[in-house]
Amino acid sequence: EIVLTQSPGTLSLSPGERPTLSCRASQSVNSSYLAWYQQKPGQAPRLLIYGASSRATGIPDRFSGSGSGTDFTLTISRLEPEDFAVYYCQHYGTSPKYTFGQGTKLEIK
Amino acid sequence: EVKLVESGGGLVQPGGSLRLSCAASGFTVSSNYMSWVRQAPGKGLEWVSIIYSGGNTYYADSVKGRLTISRDNSKNTLYLQMNNLRGEDTAVYYCAGGSAYYYFAMDVWGQGTTVTVSS
Repeated sequence: EIVLTQSPGTLSLSPGERPTLSCRASQSVNSSYLAWYQQKPGQAPRLLIYGASSRATGIPDRFSGSGSGTDFTLTISRLEPEDFAVYYCQHYGTSPKYTFGQGTKLEIK
Repeated sequence: EVKLVESGGGLVQPGGSLRLSCAASGFTVSSNYMSWVRQAPGKGLEWVSIIYSGGNTYYADSVKGRLTISRDNSKNTLYLQMNNLRGEDTAVYYCAGGSAYYYFAMDVWGQGTTVTVSS
């Protein structure tokens, strides 16, 4: 079973800064099946990135994903006020079918 | 507009049953993969179950044998039958889905329905 570990748990930054969120898999995974989601309080998650680096429809280009093997990264080039949220990485595999990381909370400093 | 709307959540006693529904519009449940994902209070996301367009179903170990995913193609609706509920099943339950274009990522989500298991 693949375990996804996200770091840091919480990131305190100011608008305009450039955060890098990490997602590490316990074993090498197919990057085609690595996704990132954003979740704001009281809302459903929203797909940001699929296939490790492809932006979903309507996602601003300040969001970018990269990585392969066991190490994946979500970068926001310049933080906007609406970007403060919790971010989850997710892998689609065999058993279980989906695994989520524990999340990184991006909070306003 | 693509929309998923969950319903059927509520308060249920341990050992009880509940059926969640997820009605889709602008999106064909039977043509895509559909999952249930839950989130316990203050916790992260946990995948529960998936049904593929071909009808195959899979479950997380924590719910196997107690929760059953199904769909009604004529109603374009996804279901989750929940039996023998436990306190640890308390969560917001989201239905979510997508097309193979997204490499099995979930690009469409409902707003969630809350299940509380308590005596």
